[in-house]
Amino acid sequence: AQSVTQLGSHVSVSEGALVLLRCNYSSSVPPYLFWYVQYPNQGLQLLLKYTSAATLVKGINGFEAEFKKSETSFHLTKPSAHMSDAAEYFCAVRPYSSASKIIFGSGTRLSIRP
Amino acid sequence: EPEVTQTPSHQVTQMGQEVILRCVPISNHLYFYWYRQILGQKVEFLVSFYNNEISEKSEIFDDQFSVERPDGSNFTLKIRSTKLEDSAMYFCALGGDTGELFFGEGSRLTVL
Repeated sequence: AQSVTQLGSHVSVSEGALVLLRCNYSSSVPPYLFWYVQYPNQGLQLLLKYTSAATLVKGINGFEAEFKKSETSFHLTKPSAHMSDAAEYFCAVRPYSSASKIIFGSGTRLSIRP
Repeated sequence: EPEVTQTPSHQVTQMGQEVILRCVPISNHLYFYWYRQILGQKVEFLVSFYNNEISEKSEIFDDQFSVERPDGSNFTLKIRSTKLEDSAMYFCALGGDTGELFFGEGSRLTVL
């Protein structure tokens, strides 16, 4: 079954530092991959998506993610963290060509230190 | 990005009562989804709905749950007899053109 694993339930970085949130997927066929962000008491907002086009995907708010088939990874990065980036981040997978569900990882809470 | 409006934003109910959560997409969509998120936990798939039929459901989606699109616009999730463990945020989502989902703001259900 398709799944994603997010390493680290909580990541803390200083303002201005690099943000790296890790996600590995399990699939024999490259799936569709997504990163969502959830701010406190809000819904899930799509940050970016990988759908088998370019392996480096740019999203909103300065985030990007790189699909690496050899490592089955789809890590999320941002060069310089802002205080407003503090939120919960979810990696998610959808089986290629499936019209069915997206499966979410367990989430990583990102904290930003002043 | 399509807009999804969910009502109510928060509902408090007694155990054993029926609850109906509503989702209104601004534009016409064929694919709808319900997810739930128990406080502090992961986002869990409940059910997907395509062309007025359930296309897939999880083991969480037992006989206590049902979904409908009663008037071609609203999309509802009904919980017939709520349990304490049904307390969660419930999210409606619409399917996008390239596999992504667009979520509403959620309905918080508190079962006492």
